[in-house]
Amino acid sequence: DAKTTQPPSMDCAEGRAANLPCNHSTISGNEYVYWYRQIHSQGPQYIIHGLKNNETNEMASLIITEDRKSSTLILPHATLRDTAVYYCIVRNYGQNFVFGPGTRLSVLP
Amino acid sequence: NAGVMQNPRHLVRRRGQEARLRCSPMKGHSHVYWYRQLPEEGLKFMVYLQKENIIDESGMPKERFSAEFPKEGPSILRIQQVVRGDSAAYFCASSPSRQGSGNTIYFGEGSWLTVV
Repeated sequence: DAKTTQPPSMDCAEGRAANLPCNHSTISGNEYVYWYRQIHSQGPQYIIHGLKNNETNEMASLIITEDRKSSTLILPHATLRDTAVYYCIVRNYGQNFVFGPGTRLSVLP
Repeated sequence: NAGVMQNPRHLVRRRGQEARLRCSPMKGHSHVYWYRQLPEEGLKFMVYLQKENIIDESGMPKERFSAEFPKEGPSILRIQQVVRGDSAAYFCASSPSRQGSGNTIYFGEGSWLTVV
């Protein structure tokens, strides 16, 4: 079972920041937070992951709260091509990646 | 830097036939994972393999499904005597190793199986 809780859907205006929340209140000290997304009819695409510190790459930023019980994925300037299902995954060493239902993000023109 | 390659992308089989799905991992990756996504459902883990070894097959149906990752060549997911309920997208992912929580896995574009 997935260890995370995400809203089922969100809308975002094109050009604005998309902030996708994820709750993982039972996360343990060695577990990383990963984000993937799946655009319709494509394979899941890795976005970013982190342990404790905030992370940023060319795609997105990951903000993890100090107690690590929740995180937010930020797409700074959402485009129509960012419309996808976004998955937040918590994973420890030796565990498989378990995908929940994710958040369906719709970027609106 | 080629990604995870899956073929065929689309496969149509009649009930009772066999389906073979192939996955070539990214260069330098020796760990392969297979996932299944039924229509309008989430991704479900099926099996995890290293070269010549099945490490975890806890998500594989007990009958008709098998997987291998030979020393040479791609990983193969084999479905014997397909039924309509096998119609799904099958995704392969790979990683360089499983050591450490920080490793990520990279997915291919999937193989869409339709059973008619």
